[in-house]
Amino acid sequence: EADIYQTPRYLVIGTGKKITLECSQTMGHDKMYWYQQDPGMELHLIHYSYGVNSTEKGDLSSESTVSRIRTEHFPLTLESARPSHTSQYLCASTPDRGNNSPLHFGNGTRLTVT
Amino acid sequence: RKEVEQDPGPFNVPEGATVAFNCTYSNSASQSFFWYRQDCRKEPKLLMSVYSSGNEDGRFTAQLNRASQYISLLIRDSKLSDSATYLCVVNRGNTGFQKLVFGTGTRLLVSP
Repeated sequence: EADIYQTPRYLVIGTGKKITLECSQTMGHDKMYWYQQDPGMELHLIHYSYGVNSTEKGDLSSESTVSRIRTEHFPLTLESARPSHTSQYLCASTPDRGNNSPLHFGNGTRLTVT
Repeated sequence: RKEVEQDPGPFNVPEGATVAFNCTYSNSASQSFFWYRQDCRKEPKLLMSVYSSGNEDGRFTAQLNRASQYISLLIRDSKLSDSATYLCVVNRGNTGFQKLVFGTGTRLLVSP
């Protein structure tokens, strides 16, 4: 079982605030991902990283940004939160063992922007 | 049309029943396939990978038909604890990197 942690678990914040969602994993996985999931909908990839100093945008356009300064840490930042950013954000990682390596997800951050 | 399509359900079945879920994908270059399970308000967890020859893990059997671009999951002897949403997941990333596309999921409710 991979150890991957997200904080905060729940966040309610006002419009215009800057927020950072934290994601850390202790397994030494090179590959990390951020997904966004609205209730009853599929997960959409918004950012991913091959390793330190590597970040790429995913399939779903997002106003968020990410950084990967350390292997274990992959934070996501919204410079100015809006109600349209209300969603669940799921961080995941996978070992570098080819296409059948499972994704290990954190327990998610439920963000509400009022 | 979505890249991965699933019947959203819900499938309501009694304990002990056998239930099957289907999934189709549109990208013929997709390389690997999975079923994930997601409980209400929780993160997805890998249930099983899907191999070309079909594979079984206890009460769960997964099958892949590349020609028809179709994946299935069969659950035998359903338990109450099987109640969850089952996500069909397709990897269209390059070798060594996963770029997973998730279906919206099929919801299963197992009743006593």
